[in-house]
Amino acid sequence: AQSVTQPDIHITVSEGASLELRCNYSYGATPYLFWYVQSPGQGLQLLLKYFSGDTLVQGIKGFEAEFKRSQSSFNLRKPSVHWSDAAEYFCAVGAQGNFGNEKLTFGTGTRLTIIP
Amino acid sequence: EAQVTQNPRYLITVTGKKLTVTCSQNMNHEYMSWYRQDPGLGLRQIYYSMNVEVTDKGDVPEGYKVSRKEKRNFPLILESPSPNQTSLYFCASSSNPGFGATEAFFGQGTRLTVV
Repeated sequence: AQSVTQPDIHITVSEGASLELRCNYSYGATPYLFWYVQSPGQGLQLLLKYFSGDTLVQGIKGFEAEFKRSQSSFNLRKPSVHWSDAAEYFCAVGAQGNFGNEKLTFGTGTRLTIIP
Repeated sequence: EAQVTQNPRYLITVTGKKLTVTCSQNMNHEYMSWYRQDPGLGLRQIYYSMNVEVTDKGDVPEGYKVSRKEKRNFPLILESPSPNQTSLYFCASSSNPGFGATEAFFGQGTRLTVV
């Protein structure tokens, strides 16, 4: 069965500093990988996704992620964080269910705090 | 505006009293699903539906029922709620169940407390 590990429960970063959120996955085939962001009291919003091709993917709000098959990782990065980036971030892998690739398995999330 | 709408947003109920959380999407999406979010556990899939009258269990289906009689609606039913079903629930929809071309859109969430 597929699984996703986000080893960092909580990260604190200074505004303007760079950010990297870690994500490791376990899946037998080529995965579909996603990063979602959840702002307080809100639903989840897709930041970016990887299906195939270029292993460095660009997303919204200045985020990017790099797929590394050899490390089973899909880390999220941003060169300079803004106070509005404070939120919870979820990595997810899309995997095959009974009818096809329709199941999302999420990691436990990383809460990001931004300090002035 | 494209959206997934859940109701209610907040609900406090008592053990054993049947309840339904509604979910509606206006994007003509075929695929819909329900997740629950608990601290330290992330989001876990409860049920999903590939289309009208086509549903299947996710990772944590016990204690829940769903139905998909219309494409736009996917209600979550708790026949006899228990305190361990206290959680934050999200409904999601997408047009492509293979995630090949589209993203999943999430509702705002329903915070359920069972006492």
